[in-house]
Amino acid sequence: DAGVIQSPRHEVTEMGQEVTLRCKPISGHNSLFWYRQTMMRGLELLIYFNNNVPIDDSGMPEDRFSAKMPNASFSTLKIQPSEPRDSAVYFCASRKTGDSNQPQHFGDGTRLSIL
Amino acid sequence: DQQVKQNSPSLSVQEGRISILNCDYTNSMFDYFLWYKKYPAEGPTFLISISSIKDKNEDGRFTVFLNKSAKHLSLHIVPSQPGDSAVYFCAASVGGTYKYIFGTGTRLKVLA
Repeated sequence: DAGVIQSPRHEVTEMGQEVTLRCKPISGHNSLFWYRQTMMRGLELLIYFNNNVPIDDSGMPEDRFSAKMPNASFSTLKIQPSEPRDSAVYFCASRKTGDSNQPQHFGDGTRLSIL
Repeated sequence: DQQVKQNSPSLSVQEGRISILNCDYTNSMFDYFLWYKKYPAEGPTFLISISSIKDKNEDGRFTVFLNKSAKHLSLHIVPSQPGDSAVYFCAASVGGTYKYIFGTGTRLKVLA
């Protein structure tokens, strides 16, 4: 079975540019999560979707960050305009809710560097 | 404030011996705990979990122990293998809900 697929794996861009990260969750999973991992703050939840609807976006750091989930098999995380402090590894995870205590499954992440 | 703490950033263990990774939490509402393993350039991979109604859960070489009164959990790996070398994260949630709070991780190195 295919796991969570993220693209690109690496992104290097100059500050001020728009960055779009993409995620394809595991088929049949109805919950999707975007995380950011930094040295200072560790792994932190940015936004959570359930059945394509954003449920909790309290972790989104600023209005420069936005996320969408147009259908059950695709989500994007966009940063516009990007800043050097956005440099981090961004992970997408998915989970099948309904079965109690099902764990989240993570993609391999996008390493983002903003120059 | 860190609700989930992994106070040992790194640990080295000889192959074949036991690895013990520790995790402390402060929020008494947490009732579901997980351990994830992460290799470089990969995402975290689910390893094992435990509900607060239990104090132990075992899966092969991996056992998680939960001490609710001390707000402490530990992951035991026996016997340790070189392939276990990775960063281990503990995570906690309330009611098995979506919001996992992760610790900062412990880097385990198993020496051959």
